[in-house]
Amino acid sequence: GQNIDQPTEMTATEGAIVQINCTYQTSGFNGLFWYQQHAGEAPTFLSYNVLDGLEEKGRFSSFLSRSKGYSYLLLKELQMKDSASYLCAVSDSNYQLIWGAGTKLIIKP
Amino acid sequence: IAGITQAPTSQILAAGRRMTLRCTQDMRHNAMYWYRQDLGLGLRLIHYSNTAGTTGKGEVPDGYSVSRANTDDFPLTLASAVPSQTSVYFCASSDEGLAGHTGELFFGEGSRLTVL
Repeated sequence: GQNIDQPTEMTATEGAIVQINCTYQTSGFNGLFWYQQHAGEAPTFLSYNVLDGLEEKGRFSSFLSRSKGYSYLLLKELQMKDSASYLCAVSDSNYQLIWGAGTKLIIKP
Repeated sequence: IAGITQAPTSQILAAGRRMTLRCTQDMRHNAMYWYRQDLGLGLRLIHYSNTAGTTGKGEVPDGYSVSRANTDDFPLTLASAVPSQTSVYFCASSDEGLAGHTGELFFGEGSRLTVL
C-alpha cells in the first residue's frame, strides 16, 4: 500500500529552528509537496520538490532524497504565526496526491 | 478577490437527507477536486475533474457524486447522507489535471458538515 508518515505533533520555541520529517512509500514518484494549514483554514502551498536536494524559500526550506523516500521541511527563525499543521503529500505514478496526516507545530514564546 | 468559494461554510444535516456542497473558482483552472479531511487522517480525494465535462473517482467516492458542466463550478452531492460523512470538505483547483499534476493546489475555505 501507499503510505506517508510524519510526526503527529512537534513543539518548538519562537526564534528557533525546527525540522519536520516526512517519509513515504508510494507506487511511483512525481514530486513531493509541503502545505501549511492553520487551524480552521484551508491548506496553502509551501514547496514542491521533484529532484534530490534542498530548495530554499525565505525562512522555509524543503529537502528531498528520493532514494531514501524522505523529505524534511526546515523552518528557521520561528514566529508565533508559524503555529500550524504542515502537510506532506506525494504525487504517485498516476499523478494522484497521497497525503500524510499532517504535523501540528506548536510554537512557544 | 480571485480564488475558490465554497458554500455553505457549515451545515448540520439529518441522516438520509440530500445535500449539495457548492464550489466555484474564478481562476480558469482546468482541474478541480473534492477532498475530505478527518482528524488523524490525511486529505482523501473523493472525486476530481481534469477539465469541464469530465469527472473521475478518487480514493473514497462512495456516497458522493459530482458534475462539471462548466469550468468554474464543481458541486459535490451527497444523495443520502450518513453519519460517517461527517467531515470537513475542501474543494481545490489547479492548472493541471491528475495527468501531469506537478502544480500547486488552491483550496477553498472548507465546508464543515455534520450528519446526525
